[in-house]
Amino acid sequence: DAEITQSPRHKITETGRQVTLACHQTWNHNNMFWYRQDLGHGLRLIHYSYGVQDTNKGEVSDGYSVSRSNTEDLPLTLESAASSQTSVYFCASSLLAGGNEQYFGPGTRLTVT
Amino acid sequence: AQSVTQPDIHITVSEGASLELRCNYSYGATPYLFWYVQSPGQGLQLLLKYFSGDTLVQGIKGFEAEFKRSQSSFNLRKPSVHWSDAAEYFCAVIDMNSGYSTLTFGKGTMLLVSP
Repeated sequence: DAEITQSPRHKITETGRQVTLACHQTWNHNNMFWYRQDLGHGLRLIHYSYGVQDTNKGEVSDGYSVSRSNTEDLPLTLESAASSQTSVYFCASSLLAGGNEQYFGPGTRLTVT
Repeated sequence: AQSVTQPDIHITVSEGASLELRCNYSYGATPYLFWYVQSPGQGLQLLLKYFSGDTLVQGIKGFEAEFKRSQSSFNLRKPSVHWSDAAEYFCAVIDMNSGYSTLTFGKGTMLLVSP
């Protein structure tokens, strides 16, 4: 069955370190998204991609970057981790632009100490 | 700016009772509307969606939602709640006139089910 996976599921890192969170989908979806979820804020969009070599900034993109070298993967990099980036991160994908349903991964819980 | 409001942070419902979770959005044109559910430690699962047509939409797990343009609302309902419905529920919107397909989420409503 097609799926969307994230790794690692849990990570603890130190302030100032570079961290990369992986997202891999086997749906063959064009669109991929990264969100962070924080208590009292719901989910907020970090970056998104409409296809290979395409990346766009979301609502809370400062301190994060993504790259899209193939259809299946959209890794999220924290250039220099900060305590404010402690959060749960969700990756999602959808087939088409517009109102297509987004399928979510299980999430990565990141703690920055 | 576009926004989605879920006025209730927490709701407690007795098992077997009916449920209504509120969602209001601020957009000028017709949005695409979604309800997602998140069980503890899990990702989000789509319950239902509204794009056009019949304003009452049916979803999975016995949920339904009604789009009311005049009230800018898309409330989620279930006639009889089960203990397994305890989870966090998110309303989300895509503004199709913006030219983007990005979802804007509400802050969520945590549903607690009492015996």
